Amino acid sequence: QSALTQPVSVSGSPGQSITISCTGSSSDVGGYNYVSWYQQHPGEAPKLLIYEVSNRPSGVSSRFSGSKSANTASLTISGLQAEDEAHYFCSSYTSNSSPVVFGGGTRLTVL
Amino acid sequence: VQLVESGGGLAQPGRSLRLSCVGFGFTFDDHAMHWVRQAPGKGLEWVSGISWNSGTLAYAESVKGRFTISRDNAKNSLNLQMDSLRLDDMAFYYCTRSTFGTLAPPDFDYWGQGTLVTVSS
Repeated sequence: QSALTQPVSVSGSPGQSITISCTGSSSDVGGYNYVSWYQQHPGEAPKLLIYEVSNRPSGVSSRFSGSKSANTASLTISGLQAEDEAHYFCSSYTSNSSPVVFGGGTRLTVL
Repeated sequence: VQLVESGGGLAQPGRSLRLSCVGFGFTFDDHAMHWVRQAPGKGLEWVSGISWNSGTLAYAESVKGRFTISRDNAKNSLNLQMDSLRLDDMAFYYCTRSTFGTLAPPDFDYWGQGTLVTVSS
C-alpha cells in the first residue's frame, strides 16, 4: 500500500511556527482518528509526539499539536527551537490488510 | 519501560534470521507489540503486529508469507522469524509497544534501540 504523503522538508526560524501535513485517503487518515506523529533525531529511535490525531503523551511539550481535516492530518510546532530539528513521521491505522501505514517523513530544519 | 532487541546481523539472501525483543518495566501482556523497520537513511515501514494474547496477527504485504511474529507473555518477549530474506529487507528493526492490547489504535509509545539486519551475499 502507498505511504502517506508528507513534504520532504520544511524549515523555520527560532520562535516561528511550522506545520507539517500528512495526506492519505478515506481508508486511513480520513476514515479513522488514529493518526500519530513521531519525532526522530539522527541515530535515535522515534519518539511518539501525538497520538489519535491531537493527543500528547505526558512529557511532550505543548508546543506540539495535531489536527485533522478530511484526508489530511497536520502537525504544528510553535515557538521553534533548535532542538526541534529532526525528522517527523506520521502514521495512520488503515482498513487495508496491513493495518498501519507511515508517511515518508519530513526533515525539519531550524534556520 | 525498556525494550531490548537482539538477533540482528548478517544473512545471505534466502537465509533466515530471528529477532527477539524483551520488555522491562511494564505489564507485557497488557500491550500489543509491533515491529517497525527503517532502511539506513530512509523512512519508517511498519512490518508486523501482534495483539496482547496473540489472537490477532498482521503483516505488511512486503513480508507476508516470509516473516512470522510471535510472543511469549510468560517471558515478556516478542519475536520475529524472518525467512527467505531479500536484499530489500536490510534495515534497522525496531520493537515497539502499542498503548493498547489490540492492533488499533497503533500508537507506538515506546521503542527499542533497534537491531540492524544486513542482507548481503
